[in-house]
Amino acid sequence: DIQMTQSPASLSASLEEIVTITCQASQDIDNWLSWYQQQPGKSPQLLIFGATNLADGVPSRFSGSRSGTQFSLKISRIQVEDIGIYFCLQAYRAPWTFGGGTTLELK
Amino acid sequence: QVQLKESGPGLMQPSQPLSLTCTVSGFSLTSYSVHWVRQHSGKNLEWMGRVWSDGHTSYNSAFTSRLSISRDTSTSQVFLKMNSLQTEDIGTYYCARNYFSTSGHVMDAWGQGTSVTVSS
Repeated sequence: DIQMTQSPASLSASLEEIVTITCQASQDIDNWLSWYQQQPGKSPQLLIFGATNLADGVPSRFSGSRSGTQFSLKISRIQVEDIGIYFCLQAYRAPWTFGGGTTLELK
Repeated sequence: QVQLKESGPGLMQPSQPLSLTCTVSGFSLTSYSVHWVRQHSGKNLEWMGRVWSDGHTSYNSAFTSRLSISRDTSTSQVFLKMNSLQTEDIGTYYCARNYFSTSGHVMDAWGQGTSVTVSS
């Protein structure tokens, strides 16, 4: 199975701060990486697909990038509604595998 | 409007079989595949399997032969059945729609989730 190592596990940030979350794939997954946000008490929602493409309705302060097998999610200017858990997902090869999640909280 | 909604018994006894239903609206099961994903401890997500738009299924081998996913296109429902339930199966179970584009597969819509507790 492809392992997705996500870091950090938790993050504390101030409003308007810039944060970056990374996922390291254990092998090449091309660009078949998506990012999801799970706000407290809600189900996950798609943020980024194809490593760098913003899903419909997602604010432009979210962005994704790729360097080889390392993928990053950047959130510029953190807002209150950004609090929650963030996950990466590889859909390159079954079984699809998620990163362990990053819990983002406000300082 | 695309919607998915899971339903299930909530509380289960160990070794009993689990049956969950995902009722979808706003899209056809013959055009989109649907995944089942579960979440442990409020964080860790695990892909369980999917039913494809043509009806065939794929499973995570971690569930060996105790998992079965099926569908009824006439009622727009997807079913999950899992045998030999254990306490490790406690969690929230989600169904999610698969969307495929040139940028790959994603889960572009999720249900609200249904909580499963295993206790004797």
